[in-house]
Amino acid sequence: DAGVIQSPRHEVTEMGQEVTLRCKPISGHDYLFWYRQTMMRGLELLIYFNNNVPIDDSGMPEDRFSAKMPNASFSTLKIQPSEPRDSAVYFCASSLSRDPGADTQYFGPGTRLTVL
Amino acid sequence: QKEVEQDPGPLSVPEGAIVSLNCTYSNSAFQYFMWYRQYSRKGPELLMYTYSSGNKEDGRFTAQVDKSSKYISLFIRDSQPSDSATYLCAMKSNFGNEKLTFGTGTRLTIIP
Repeated sequence: DAGVIQSPRHEVTEMGQEVTLRCKPISGHDYLFWYRQTMMRGLELLIYFNNNVPIDDSGMPEDRFSAKMPNASFSTLKIQPSEPRDSAVYFCASSLSRDPGADTQYFGPGTRLTVL
Repeated sequence: QKEVEQDPGPLSVPEGAIVSLNCTYSNSAFQYFMWYRQYSRKGPELLMYTYSSGNKEDGRFTAQVDKSSKYISLFIRDSQPSDSATYLCAMKSNFGNEKLTFGTGTRLTIIP
C-alpha cells in the first residue's frame, strides 16, 4: 500500500487567496483525520470523518476553514481566505476501527503551507 | 492548562545512553496511551501503545503508564543516532471516540 497520500507537499500563497489541500487515505480505512502542526501549538486535530461523515469539527479554527470527504478515497481541506497565521504543516491521517480503543492512525507526509 | 503536558526539550544525549521521555495529563478518562516518532519533515508514526496502567516492552523501547499519577514514560535503551527525532505522546478515552490528544513533542538528538 502506498500509505496516506497528500498533495501538494508545499504550498506558498499570498494572504487572501484560497488554498485547497488534498488527501487520499489508505484503502479500506474508515476514519480520516486532519491535523495542523506548529512549533507553538504542536499537533492539533482540526476535524475527523467516519465513513465519509464529519464526526467532530470542534478543532476547526474558524469559518474560513472547511473540509469535505465526498467519497472513501478522497478528502479536501480548504482555507478561504488564507491568512499568515494559517502557516503550518497540515497532516492527514487515516485509521481502521477494528478495535474502537486501540486503532493506529497512519499519517501522510504533510503539506507545508506558507501564507505571505 | 493543557490536557497533555510534554517537555519540548531539546534533549541531547550520547550514543548508548538510556533516554527517558515523559508526559503528564489531566483527563482521568484517558485509557489508551501511545508514543509516536516523527522524523524531520515527515509525518508521525506509531511507535508503541499501551492500554491502562503497566509496562510494555518492544526491543530497545519500553512504555510505562501510571494512571494513579497521570504520568506516562518512554524509555529508550542503547540509544542510536537513528533514534534522533521528535517523540510525541498521545492518548484517548475508551468511549468509542477516535480523537487523539497529543503532547507538543520532545525533540531528541543522539550524539554519535
